[in-house]
Amino acid sequence: AQSVTQLGSHVSVSEGALVLLRCNYSSSVPPYLFWYVQYPNQGLQLLLKYTTGATLVKGINGFEAEFKKSETSFHLTKPSAHMSDAAEYFCAVSGALNEKLTFGTGTRLTIIP
Amino acid sequence: NAGVTQTPKFRVLKTGQSMTLLCAQDMNHEYMYWYRQDPGMGLRLIHYSVGEGTTAKGEVPDGYNVSRLKKQNFLLGLESAAPSQTSVYFCASSYSKRDRQILAGGNTQYFGPGTRLTVL
Repeated sequence: AQSVTQLGSHVSVSEGALVLLRCNYSSSVPPYLFWYVQYPNQGLQLLLKYTTGATLVKGINGFEAEFKKSETSFHLTKPSAHMSDAAEYFCAVSGALNEKLTFGTGTRLTIIP
Repeated sequence: NAGVTQTPKFRVLKTGQSMTLLCAQDMNHEYMYWYRQDPGMGLRLIHYSVGEGTTAKGEVPDGYNVSRLKKQNFLLGLESAAPSQTSVYFCASSYSKRDRQILAGGNTQYFGPGTRLTVL
């Protein structure tokens, strides 16, 4: 079974500052890890994912995440926040060949002008 | 491609009424899902389907039924709506048999825009 914990349901950063959204997972099998973003009144769209290979994964809109097996973490970062990054972010996990995703409870990111 | 579409976008029901939410995808995906999203609880899986004619229960199936009679459509039914079913419902789909990277690429799910349901 898999589970995901997102620390901080709300995060606020100033425009131009570093964005760090935390995700820790639990999995009994090698995990596949995902970050999705949800803009207001929209569905979820994939930001990036880790499956195998390089542990630093680059996604859309300048976001990246690093898979750290020893820390069971997959934190999302962006060097410089932009107003358009204001959204809710979800971390998700699945096992290989698993048809289901398990989502975290989400982190709402607010950008302060 | 329209991707994943959901109808209706909004609906208000009275307690005890029934309704069906329709999800359609044009990506020839094998898997389809229904989630509900509630504040502070993330997305919770209601039911899912790994192929035409098959369905399975997710995390919160009670009070809902589903059908997958056609590969491109996945219907979510509420037989007797309750206020606790007030939520935003999302459909998603994934995995095309033509996508040979499923083993290496993970189960990337593609989401519809959602249906906001209020039960009074």
